Parts: sequence; structure tokens; C-alpha cells
Amino acid sequence: DVKVTQSSRYLVKRTGEKVFLECVQDMDHENMFWYRQDPGLGLRLIYFSYDVKMKEKGDIPEGYSVSREKKERFSLILESASTNQTSMYLCASSLLIGQGYGYTFGSGTRLTVV
Amino acid sequence: AQTVTQSQPEMSVQEAETVTLSCTYDTSENNYYLFWYKQPPSRQMILVIRQEAYKQQNATENRFSVNFQKAAKSFSLKISDSQLGDTAMYFCAFMKLGATDKLIFGTGTRLQVFP
Repeated sequence: DVKVTQSSRYLVKRTGEKVFLECVQDMDHENMFWYRQDPGLGLRLIYFSYDVKMKEKGDIPEGYSVSREKKERFSLILESASTNQTSMYLCASSLLIGQGYGYTFGSGTRLTVV
Repeated sequence: AQTVTQSQPEMSVQEAETVTLSCTYDTSENNYYLFWYKQPPSRQMILVIRQEAYKQQNATENRFSVNFQKAAKSFSLKISDSQLGDTAMYFCAFMKLGATDKLIFGTGTRLQVFP
């Protein structure tokens, strides 16, 4: 089975800190995604990447950046954490574009910014 | 832009009964995929079922089946013989067939199965 591993399950950071959320997948998937999940809003796409060093903005990229230096690793960066970035962050991967396989998700990182 | 609407924030069902979760979507595309994902309290999102829009036949996976009405843009999930382990958030999602694999999610339905 494909595994998508998010390095932290819970994280507490202070306002203004630079925060790194790490995600690693182990089955050579081409595409990787970062979503945030908020009650009543569902999942919203922050950024995605369909190749190493490639990235595309999703629907809510403001305040975030990403890095994909290796195929298996996709990092989400909060340049200066703010309280409105307190949320659940979900990483996902998919095999190939255009095949409609759906995603494999990580277990999520619940980030609290104080 | 595509949108996905789940109009039932919460639902409950008794064990062994059948429950249907609603999902509607809006798109001008003709080729796309639809998904139902389950998120139990453990938070791990699990793919429940997948439907290709060009297939008229409704997808089925064991106790889970969908009612796909393409003209009405409706994609409901039926869970038969509900089990306590079905307690979870359920998300409907849309993917356009094309250059990216972006999934657009609904806001979710929280399902509680009672003994």
C-alpha cells in the first residue's frame, strides 16, 4: 500500500514563526497536494505539485509556500504563522495526472498558532 | 468553476439500517470523476468509491453504492447494513479530467451510526 507520511500529528507554534510541514510518500507518485481542512468549509487546496521543482497555486495560497526538491517529499511552509492559519493540514498524493485515480492521504497535522 | 454541495451537515442511522448521503455538483465539463471519501476519527481519509462520468452504471463497493444522475448533477452515496465503523465524516469530491488532478471537495457530512 502507498503510504503518505506527515511528520507531525500535532503542532503548536507562535505567531510570526516560520513553520515547516513535511510530507513524504513512498510509491513514486507524480502528484502531491496540500489541503487545509476547516469545519464547515471542507477541504481547500493550498498548493500542488505535479513534478519535482514544479508547483501550482491552489485556491488559497496566500500566506503559504511549498517546496518539492525530491519526488517523494513535498513541504508546506508558513512564512510567518498567524492565528488564522490554525487548522488541520492534509497532504495527499496521486499516481498520474488525468487518470482519475484519486488521492492517497496522510493522517493530517493539526496546527495551532498561538 | 466547479462546486460541490453537501446539504446534510449531520446524519444518523441505526446499526444495520440503510442511509443515503446527498451530493450535488456544478460543472460545465463532460468528462470527470466523482469520489466519496470517508474520514473516521483517526483522521485518515479513505477512498470509499469512485465513479467515472462517462459510465452510466452506478459504482458499487460491497455495502457502498452510488446513485449517479449525470443530467441532474447528483451523486448520492448509499450505505447498506450500516455498521458502527461507518461512523465518520464523508466527503464528496469532483475531479475534472484534464491537465491536473485537482480534487474539489464538498463541506462534508458527519454520519453517526448508533447501536
